[in-house]
Amino acid sequence: EAGVAQSPRYKIIEKRQSVAFWCNPISGHATLYWYQQILGQGPKLLIQFQNNGVVDDSQLPKDRFSAERLKGVDSTLKIQPAKLEDSAVYLCASSIGGRGNTIYFGEGSWLTVV
Amino acid sequence: KQEVTQIPAALSVPEGENLVLNCSFTDSAIYNLQWFRQDPGKGLTSLLLIQSSQREQTSGRLNASLDKSSGRSTLYIAASQPGDSATYLCAVGGDSWGKLQFGAGTQVVVTP
Repeated sequence: EAGVAQSPRYKIIEKRQSVAFWCNPISGHATLYWYQQILGQGPKLLIQFQNNGVVDDSQLPKDRFSAERLKGVDSTLKIQPAKLEDSAVYLCASSIGGRGNTIYFGEGSWLTVV
Repeated sequence: KQEVTQIPAALSVPEGENLVLNCSFTDSAIYNLQWFRQDPGKGLTSLLLIQSSQREQTSGRLNASLDKSSGRSTLYIAASQPGDSATYLCAVGGDSWGKLQFGAGTQVVVTP
């Protein structure tokens, strides 16, 4: 079974530039998550989708971050304009749905803003 | 607001010793608790998922316990091996949608 796919794996951009990350979840998984992990910290949820709809985006900095999930499958996370403090790993994860189910993570997209 | 704490932040043990990793949380109204492993430069791999109604879960050399009333979970790794070197994170599931609140992790080094 294929896992959660993410691209690009690594990206270096200058502050005020834009960047987009792509995620393809495990087939059949209704729930998709984007987490931000800053070095030395645990992951923090940015946004959670259930199929096409947003369940939770309370910690998403909406003035610069946006995310969408196309046809309930793939998802993109965009940052525009980027700030130095956005340097982090962006982890996509998916699950069958709801509580009590194992969440599967991709390998992450590493962003460095200089 | 739920807060998840993992102490110690780092741990080094000789090969063969048993590992004991601690996780504490402030709000006992949880749906489940999950332990993950993270290798350098990699994503997270789920190790064990404990539902709120359960007291423990076991998988091979791994055993995780959950005490909701005291807000604690412990991950035991028996007979540690150098391949167990990684960062271990616990995460609490606090709502019906499966959202997880993570601790900062414990970095483990097992020396040969």
